[in-house]
Amino acid sequence: GENVEQHPSTLSVQEGDSAVIKCTYSDSASNYFPWYKQELGKRPQLIIDIRSNVGEKKDQRIAVTLNKTAKHFSLHITETQPEDSAVYFCAANAGNQFYFGTGTSLTVIP
Amino acid sequence: DTAVSQTPKYLVTQMGNDKSIKCEQNLGHDTMYWYKQDSKKFLKIMFSYNNKELIINETVPNRFSPKSPDKAHLNLHINSLELGDSAVYFCASSHLGDNQPQHFGDGTRLSIL
Repeated sequence: GENVEQHPSTLSVQEGDSAVIKCTYSDSASNYFPWYKQELGKRPQLIIDIRSNVGEKKDQRIAVTLNKTAKHFSLHITETQPEDSAVYFCAANAGNQFYFGTGTSLTVIP
Repeated sequence: DTAVSQTPKYLVTQMGNDKSIKCEQNLGHDTMYWYKQDSKKFLKIMFSYNNKELIINETVPNRFSPKSPDKAHLNLHINSLELGDSAVYFCASSHLGDNQPQHFGDGTRLSIL
């Protein structure tokens, strides 16, 4: 089955700096990669996603890159703000199932 | 207009009891899921149903029994609750095989005394 690894597990940045979270996957059949943000006590919410026929996607301060050959994908947040503080999960979709990374706790220091 | 709704939001009960969590989605999705999120925040898939049929059943004690009366509902019944069952349980739904994201409910925080 698929194995998704996510790094780092915790990340602290100064407000205004960039944050990068990286994930690797093992199953070359995975073809869809969503990213979720989970604020404390809330549900995971989709913030951006990328399909395997695309190398990069951007939405305002958030971007995701995908390297299918190397089987890794990354989330980039620029100009971070305190409200970006949350746990971020990457996921890979292979067949019927979503495989989640172990999460990155991002803290943006004002 | 909650897309995926779970009830109850909080559940506090004693060890050994039996309890149920209900989930309903109004997104027209054909697939529903149950996840367990422990204190370390790991999201662990438990079950997945597509059009009322079980398609994923991870290694979960048989004290957990999902039931899907129709494709808009997936309930989770737990027998003989144990301390280790304390967690947040999330329901989610999606279209199967469409490369579409899952939509999560607000979660049910289960605390076993």
